[in-house]
Amino acid sequence: GAGVSQTPSNKVTEKGKYVELRCDPISGHTALYWYRQSLGQGPEFLIYFQGTGAADDSWLPNDRFFAVRPEGSVSTLKIQRTERGDSAVYLCASSLGTNTGELFFGEGSRLTVL
Amino acid sequence: QKEVEQNSGPLSVPEGAIASLNCTYSDRVSQSFFWYRQYSGKSPELIMSIYSNGDKEDGRFTAQLNKASQYVSLLIRDSQPSDSATYLCAVSGAGSYQLTFGKGTKLSVIP
Repeated sequence: GAGVSQTPSNKVTEKGKYVELRCDPISGHTALYWYRQSLGQGPEFLIYFQGTGAADDSWLPNDRFFAVRPEGSVSTLKIQRTERGDSAVYLCASSLGTNTGELFFGEGSRLTVL
Repeated sequence: QKEVEQNSGPLSVPEGAIASLNCTYSDRVSQSFFWYRQYSGKSPELIMSIYSNGDKEDGRFTAQLNKASQYVSLLIRDSQPSDSATYLCAVSGAGSYQLTFGKGTKLSVIP
């Protein structure tokens, strides 16, 4: 595709439920990132993939969060037992992998936990 | 804990004026610096990157970096109403994949 694609664009769920957010990066981009942005804040780093393996998942907020990228392309961010504090826009970005600060962001998945 | 500080604004400038956006960072070993523009309800878009001290110009945009003062700025010349957005400053360390973002400065260009 032309850009980073994220689905769903909006997700409303109830506290305690499980959600999955999907990201399809720009074709040929080997590096993939997940960030979270709350209202009035800058994006907050969650996790980074170079290829299929997570380079560092230590920045995930807690063990309810997990992300995979099994074939080195599409990634899924998984949140278990959602809490109201998880409500935010979850942004996926990709890059060619060498200039890791030059990111191309998707339009985000807005998660609302009631 | 790395910190990136920006004045949240709003910064209002008249059309055609120069808008000056400022950012300071706490981690002295930071190596790479970026400015992202974010329109309301949209995702961030990279507009400038700078890696060495001095100025870097790209069209109406100039990024300025002073590592000794731990300061980076963005100048927008001939500001247009379409420049109205939140501008996010982002910083990363040498070889780091992690960007630390500031909260952003909201710019409003008044016609």
